[in-house]
This record gives sequence, C-alpha cells and structure tokens, in this order.
Amino acid sequence: KQEVTQIPAALSVPEGENLVLNCSFTDSAIYNLQWFRQDPGKGLTSLLLIQSSQREQTSGRLNASLDKSSGRSTLYIAASQPGDSATYLCAAVTDSWGKFQFGAGTQVVVTP
Amino acid sequence: NAGVTQTPKFRILKIGQSMTLQCAQDMNHNYMYWYRQDPGMGLKLIYYSVGAGITDKGEVPNGYNVSRSTTEDFPLRLELAAPSQTSVYFCASNLGQVGQPQHFGDGTRLSIL
Repeated sequence: KQEVTQIPAALSVPEGENLVLNCSFTDSAIYNLQWFRQDPGKGLTSLLLIQSSQREQTSGRLNASLDKSSGRSTLYIAASQPGDSATYLCAAVTDSWGKFQFGAGTQVVVTP
Repeated sequence: NAGVTQTPKFRILKIGQSMTLQCAQDMNHNYMYWYRQDPGMGLKLIYYSVGAGITDKGEVPNGYNVSRSTTEDFPLRLELAAPSQTSVYFCASNLGQVGQPQHFGDGTRLSIL
C-alpha cells in the first residue's frame, strides 16, 4: 500500500525566505503527484500537478520537482510572504481511477 | 463559476441519526470522490465513482453509502451516525483522465455527539 509522508509537520520562516516542503512516497509506481494548499476551515486548492513522466512543474513563485526513483517530491516557494501561510498537502495518484493517497500536510507560518 | 458545491457546510448530529451530505459539480466531470479529513491527518478516501451508476469503496467505507444517479451529483449517506464519524468531509471531481487535477469542494464539517 502506498504511504505518503510529509516532514516536517510544521515550520515557521521569516518573510522573504525560500520555503522547501518535502513529500515522500513508498511506491514509485505513481501516475502523478499533486500539491495542494489548504487554508484554515477551507477546502483544498490545487497548486501544481506533476505527471509521472515529468521532473518538475513551475507556476509563478512555485516550483515542484518529482524524483520517482527516490520516492520524493519537493515544493519550493520563492521569497515567501505572510499570505503563503497555510497547510500544504501532497497527494499521489495510485491507480488509473485517479484515487489519491494523501500526506498529512506541512503547516507553514510566514512571519512578517 | 460554481465548480464543486457541498451542502451543508456544518452539521451537528446525535448518535444514531442519519443524514446525507450533498455534492454537486457543474464541470461535467465523470469521476467523483468522497474523502474525510481528521485533525492533523491527510485525507482518506471513502467512496468514489467513475460515472453515473458506477461506485466503489475506498480505504474507509464502513458506515457510509453512496449513489450516483446523475453525472452532476454524488451524495454520501451516513446511517446510524457514530462519534468516530466526526470529521470534515470533502467531495472532489476529476474529468476522468489520470493527468487531470482534482477539484475540491469547501467541505462539510460534521460533529456527532
């Protein structure tokens, strides 16, 4: 069974620092991996989707990499801002029905 | 631009009561999913559907039932509510191709007392 882990569970950084969020998965046979943002009391907002054949995806200040052989994905957020404070979840698609296996998330606080 | 709509947003139930959580999407997505999220945990899949009339169990289906009579709607039924079902429930949809992102509703916060 696919296990997805996100470490650390929480981190705090000063504004302007780059954020590095880690996601690891035990089974490299994934279809794709998606990063989400969740604000308190809200649903999930999709940030980036990386296909299994891709090494990275970029959107603005966000860059996500995927290394299937080592079972890792990393989300980089450049020049963090207080508005980036949220919980970030990664999820791996484990079969052709698009079912996700989620990590527990990393709670990020960016201090002014 | 509705996307995925879940109702109600909040609900308190007594032990043993039943209720239906509603989920509707207006994107003509074939695939729909129900997840639950417990505090400090990731989301766990309850049930999913790949089209009208087709449903299947996910990781944690016990105590729940679903139906899918239309492409748009995918209700989740709780029978005989138990305190262990206190959670936040999310509905999601996907066009039906593995490479497409999932779109999530805002969730239903359910407490069972």
